[in-house]
Amino acid sequence: GAVVSQHPSRVICKSGTSVKIECRSLDFQATTMFWYRQFPKQSLMLMATSNEGSKATYEQGVEKDKFLINHASLTLSTLTVTSAHPEDSSFYICSAPNRNTEAFFGQGTRLTVV
Amino acid sequence: EDKVVQSPLSLVVHEGDTVTLNCSYEVTNFRSLLWYKQEKKAPTFLFMLTSSGIEKKSGRLSSILDKKELSSILNITATQTGDSAIYLCAVPPTSGTYKYIFGTGTRLKVLA
Repeated sequence: GAVVSQHPSRVICKSGTSVKIECRSLDFQATTMFWYRQFPKQSLMLMATSNEGSKATYEQGVEKDKFLINHASLTLSTLTVTSAHPEDSSFYICSAPNRNTEAFFGQGTRLTVV
Repeated sequence: EDKVVQSPLSLVVHEGDTVTLNCSYEVTNFRSLLWYKQEKKAPTFLFMLTSSGIEKKSGRLSSILDKKELSSILNITATQTGDSAIYLCAVPPTSGTYKYIFGTGTRLKVLA
């Protein structure tokens, strides 16, 4: 079946540094990918839609300069958390739809900013 | 505004119990509703429902959609501790997009 691979699964970084998270569709092309954020005991919150070859679309309240998204190819989207702060600590998940089936999720990245 | 609401928010049961989780939605151009199970990492797909009244079943889990009531239920019979998870339902808000709106989730805990 279709697989979405997300890397890294866990990262700890210092305040002020940037962290890049990768999301790859392994056996299908994804012109669109979605990035979600999830706080403890809460549901998934859509942050942005990543579009191959064009700018990402951000949801209301999400800072595009803070969360840089690049969708350089049909199989790779990246989310960079810039100048990370402790409040950015969260679980980040990407997903990619595959034609007329459900969206497939990456394994998620647990970011801890210290 | 498109929205998806789940109930209850949390539930604690004992092994062997049967549970029913609810999901209601308000979206334009409804196309499908999906159920996911999330343990410690990313959600895993359970069911996709597109037609009203047709039950989908997988082992002890089953789900059905009611388009008239704009809702769906997920049933789990003979619960096991391994069923403990957050159950999410999601609806794509408009046709032609996979931009899912997720419900609040139901946190299920099954005690041994």
